[in-house]
Parts: sequence; structure tokens; C-alpha cells
Amino acid sequence: GENVEQHPSTLSVQEGDSAVIKCTYSDSASNYFPWYKQELGKRPQLIIDIRSNVGEKKDQRIAVTLNKTAKHFSLHITETQPEDSAVYFCAAYGDSGYALNFGKGTSLLVTP
Amino acid sequence: DTAVSQTPKYLVTQMGNDKSIKCEQNLGHDTMYWYKQDSKKFLKIMFSYNNKELIINETVPNRFSPKSPDKAHLNLHINSLELGDSAVYFCASSHLYYNEQFFGPGTRLTVL
Repeated sequence: GENVEQHPSTLSVQEGDSAVIKCTYSDSASNYFPWYKQELGKRPQLIIDIRSNVGEKKDQRIAVTLNKTAKHFSLHITETQPEDSAVYFCAAYGDSGYALNFGKGTSLLVTP
Repeated sequence: DTAVSQTPKYLVTQMGNDKSIKCEQNLGHDTMYWYKQDSKKFLKIMFSYNNKELIINETVPNRFSPKSPDKAHLNLHINSLELGDSAVYFCASSHLYYNEQFFGPGTRLTVL
């Protein structure tokens, strides 16, 4: 089955700095890679996703890059703000396409 | 007009009891899921139903029994609750195959 590893587990940055979270996956058949943000006590919510036919995708301050050869993908947040503080999860579908396998999450803290 | 809803939001019960959590989605999705999020925030797939049929059943004790009366509903019944069942349970829905999953607000289960 799919195995998704995520690093780092915690990340602390100063407001205005950039944050990068990295994930690797094991199943070369995986072709959809979402990133979810979960604020304290709330549900996970999709912030950006990328499919395997694209190498990079950007949405305002958030970008995701995908390297299919190396089987890794990364989330980049620029000009971080305190409201970016949350737990971020990467995920990948296994080869069945039926279920998302999540990384263990990165707790991001943005200090003013 | 909540997209994915769950009831109850909180559930506190004694060991050995039986309890149910209900989930409903009004997004017209054909696939629904149950995830367990433990105290370390790890999100783990438990079950997935597509058009009322079970398609994923991860290694979950058979005390957990999902039921899908129709495409818009997926309920989770738990028998003989144990301390280790304490967690947040999230319902989610999506179109099948490599698509964004939408999460419900979660049910925080505490077993005393």
C-alpha cells in the first residue's frame, strides 16, 4: 500500500518568512497529491492539490511542487502570517484510487 | 447548507457501551469515508463506501461496523467501547478516484 512520509513534524518561523514542508510517497502509480490544513479543533480543509501531469501549482502565497521521478512533493508558503499557524497534512491516493493515505502532519507556528 | 455534517459533535461514554455516529453529505458524492484521528493528530482511513458498497476496510476491530443506508449517509456503530477508541472521528466524502475529499466537523469520542 501507499506510504507517505512527511517532514518536519514541527516548524516554527517568523512572520514574513517562508515555510517549506516535504513529503515522499512510495506508490509510483499515485497521481493526486492534496495538502490539507487543520486548525485547532477544526476539520482538515484542502488548501491546494496537484496532479501528476503537473510539476508545480501556485495559489497566491501557497505553492506545491511535484517530482514524480523522485516521488516527492512539497508545500511552500511565502510571506507567512500568524493565521497560517496550523497542522498541515500531505496525502496521496494509493493505487486503488479509493483512499487517501496521509502523512503524519506538520505543526506550523508563525510567530509575530 | 453544510456540505458534510456529523452528529454528535461530542460523545462521552463509559467503557463497554455501544454508540453510533451519523454522517450526511449533500454534495452529491458517491463515496464516503471514516477516518480516525488519534491524540498525535495522525489521520487514518478506517472505511470507505462507494454507492452504498464497502470498498475499503482497513485493519479495524470488528467492534466497528459502518452502515450506508444510501449514498448520502454513512454511519459508524461501535460496540463494547474501549479506552483506546477515544479519538476524533471524521467523516468525509468525494467523487470516486483521485478527487478532493471534503471532511465533516468531526466527532470527539471520549471513553471513560
